[in-house]
Amino acid sequence: EAEVAQSPRYKITEKSQAVAFWCDPISGHATLYWYRQILGQGPELLVQFQDESVVDDSQLPKDRFSAERLKGVDSTLKIQPAELGDSAMYLCASSLGDRSSPLHFGNGTRLTVT
Amino acid sequence: AQKVTQAQTEISVVEKEDVTLDCVYETRDTTYYLFWYKQPPSGELVFLIRRNSFDEQNEISGRYSWNFQKSTSSFNFTITASQVVDSAVYFCSATPDNDYKLSFGAGTTVTVRA
Repeated sequence: EAEVAQSPRYKITEKSQAVAFWCDPISGHATLYWYRQILGQGPELLVQFQDESVVDDSQLPKDRFSAERLKGVDSTLKIQPAELGDSAMYLCASSLGDRSSPLHFGNGTRLTVT
Repeated sequence: AQKVTQAQTEISVVEKEDVTLDCVYETRDTTYYLFWYKQPPSGELVFLIRRNSFDEQNEISGRYSWNFQKSTSSFNFTITASQVVDSAVYFCSATPDNDYKLSFGAGTTVTVRA
């Protein structure tokens, strides 16, 4: 079965440094999501794309976070500068786009900011 | 605003016991979609089941069954004859028909002891 690919799997960075995560959704999935999951909590949506357009980024801290999906396929999430509170699991997911379709998640990137 | 509530934080059972996970979706919407996901220690969120609010038929799939009651907005999930491999965090999630945003509950940690 096709999977959502994410890299890196783990990332350790010092605060104030820049960090980037990459996601390649399942082929044919128009909708792509970036979620942040703090240990012990449920995932929280950061940004949602429909093709190359942002549908929802209301919870994205735009002073330090940015996301792009230039060609409507793979996507990059960037943090600059990283803060200690950004330590979390960053999950990418994709779906066919209709509301009844389940999300398919990647393995995530575990970020530790020191 | 919509809210997904999983009242149980942790459940511990002995192998072969049944496990029922509770979920309540608070919403004013009449049409919405409910999902259950499993997150094993490896970290990847895996889609398990989906239910539409306009379909109250309860179903069984292998060792999984679910009970949806629209009057109380409850979407409970049961694992029959639990196994050690069922140990994971289980998340209930929901999205209204008029919004693409999928909200997650805080999760219930299930531990199945041999």
